Amino acid sequence: EVQLVESGGGLVQPGGSLRLSCAASGFTYSTYAMSWVRQAPGKGLEWVSTARGSGGYTYYADSVKGRFTISRDNSKNTLYLQMSSLRAEDTAVYHCAKGRGVGLGNWYFDLWGRGTLVTVSS
Amino acid sequence: QSVLTQPPSVSGAPGQRVTISCTGSSSNIGANYDVHWYQHLPGTAPKLLIYGNTNRPSGVPDRFSGSKSGTSASLAITGLQAEDEADYYCQSYDSSLTSWVFGGGTKLTVL
Repeated sequence: EVQLVESGGGLVQPGGSLRLSCAASGFTYSTYAMSWVRQAPGKGLEWVSTARGSGGYTYYADSVKGRFTISRDNSKNTLYLQMSSLRAEDTAVYHCAKGRGVGLGNWYFDLWGRGTLVTVSS
Repeated sequence: QSVLTQPPSVSGAPGQRVTISCTGSSSNIGANYDVHWYQHLPGTAPKLLIYGNTNRPSGVPDRFSGSKSGTSASLAITGLQAEDEADYYCQSYDSSLTSWVFGGGTKLTVL
């Protein structure tokens, strides 16, 4: 079955760290860019980060640059998001998404996971 | 404040046609970047509805269609059904921000 399953969310204190995982199945994982997209409570979708198929190129939203690190293990078909210096405004459901498209500016997300909730609170 | 502007809500009766607009600027939609649309029910995985402005993935009914002109795009849904009640998001790329951007989302209510 073609699917993405996220894990690793939970409650963390401000300033703390957390690592999210996304297990992919049903497609040739290493050939696709993979991303994290989040949704804060009562808000819309916000792109967070993307890693190209080889993992050699990574991209970050300004809101997380320097605090979050995206990585992937193509041997395990798994995507990761290492989050540090967490803030209350990072509280959100984090979705993993598979990317497609021709040219960086025309990428879209054709497969999504249900997400994992991260709550940053003392 | 989202880079792409959508109406917060739209509504329609079963069988009717509704449209959802997505307004951008010269650094995103107007820069000829594609617009894509997603359907999302909270608590579930978002679903790709339209890619590349007008294309439907396999399995998406032809009741859903997309268009783009200038700095704006639109999603049209015809023959509205109760199951269409969800949040809808447009997405593109912004060259000034060098990031992928979403609209603020539109909640569709089927009356």
